[in-house]
Amino acid sequence: EPEVTQTPSHQVTQMGQEVILRCVPISNHLYFYWYRQILGQKVEFLVSFYNNEISEKSEIFDDQFSVERPDGSNFTLKIRSTKLEDSAMYFCASSMTSGGANIQYFGAGTRLSVL
Amino acid sequence: DQQVKQNSPSLSVQEGRISILNCDYTNSMFDYFLWYKKYPAEGPTFLISISSIKDKNEDGRFTVFLNKSAKHLSLHIVPSQPGDSAVYFCAASKAAGNKLTFGGGTRVLVKP
Repeated sequence: EPEVTQTPSHQVTQMGQEVILRCVPISNHLYFYWYRQILGQKVEFLVSFYNNEISEKSEIFDDQFSVERPDGSNFTLKIRSTKLEDSAMYFCASSMTSGGANIQYFGAGTRLSVL
Repeated sequence: DQQVKQNSPSLSVQEGRISILNCDYTNSMFDYFLWYKKYPAEGPTFLISISSIKDKNEDGRFTVFLNKSAKHLSLHIVPSQPGDSAVYFCAASKAAGNKLTFGGGTRVLVKP
């Protein structure tokens, strides 16, 4: 069964460093997403991406964040200068369509620890 | 963001009995509601969805009920099995949008 793959599973970084979280969405999906879950809190939407551009983003997704689809298979989330409060589980998701029931398929996540 | 709320953080149920998970929402613009299940060290997995124009959707042991006037939905699992032990998230979306808005989750423990 096709699945969304995320690497690494755990990333430890120093405050102020740049990190890149990587995702390989399901191959025939067209819409890509990043969510995060801070420990003990809800899963929060960060950004959606379609046709090589951001289609929607949340207030959390400020100038420190960027997304890219550098080739036909990878989808990345970059945090330019990490803060302690960026420590969270980051989930990548993909879907075939947008709107409607919009079933999104999630990866297992990358745990980001900012020290 | 309190648009989607799951007021019960945990639920314990005996194997074979019914599990009922509840979810409330405040935004009447939501058009679709989805339930996801999450095991430790895995991402959320889609379970079942319902459109706001329906009041019930069933898929095997899983049934979702929607009461639009009360802005309330519930997920029924019958019969519950030990493998159903997981965290269940309620999520909502708008027809024209992309993002899912999640509730806080309910941890279900099914005892053999």
